[in-house]
Amino acid sequence: AQSVTQPDIHITVSEGASLELRCNYSYGATPYLFWYVQSPGQGLQLLLKYFSGDTLVQGIKGFEAEFKRSQSSFNLRKPSVHWSDAAEYFCAVGASGGSYIPTFGRGTSLIVHP
Amino acid sequence: DGGITQSPKYLFRKEGQNVTLSCEQNLNHDAMYWYRQDPGQGLRLIYYSQIVNDFQKGDIAEGYSVSREKKESFPLTVTSAQKNPTAFYLCASSRTGLRSGANVLTFGAGSRLTVL
Repeated sequence: AQSVTQPDIHITVSEGASLELRCNYSYGATPYLFWYVQSPGQGLQLLLKYFSGDTLVQGIKGFEAEFKRSQSSFNLRKPSVHWSDAAEYFCAVGASGGSYIPTFGRGTSLIVHP
Repeated sequence: DGGITQSPKYLFRKEGQNVTLSCEQNLNHDAMYWYRQDPGQGLRLIYYSQIVNDFQKGDIAEGYSVSREKKESFPLTVTSAQKNPTAFYLCASSRTGLRSGANVLTFGAGSRLTVL
């Protein structure tokens, strides 16, 4: 069975600083990987996804993530954080074969200081 | 625009009452899902359906029931058997099959249920 670990419950950064949110997954084959963002009281929005090919994936809102098979990681990055990026971020892993229902991590809450 | 509509946005319930949360999608997706979200616990799968008139239990199905009579609709009933129903409930949908896009979920805005 697949699983996802987001080791950081909260991350605090200053506006304009760089950001990296960590995600580690467990899956026996090549996974499908996702990052979603959730604003307070709202649903989740897809930021980016990795299925195959280039391991550096570009997403919306200036985010990118890099798939590192050797480290079983899919960390989310942004070079300069804006106050509007404050939200909850979820990493998810989906199976490339069989059941396609993704498994979500517990989320990382991003706090942005002015 | 295509999307998922959940209603109501906020719902209050007395203990012992059943309540039904609505979820409607116009994305022509075959699969639909219900997740429960509690602070610090991420998203936990309650039920999912890959086709009309069929659904499967997720990780925390006890105290919940669903139906899938139409492709567009997947209502969730929170029954009085659910011991701790206060939570944020999210409905989602996706394509199915072996295509990679089957893994991509589109979410509704959620429904917050509070038991008084």
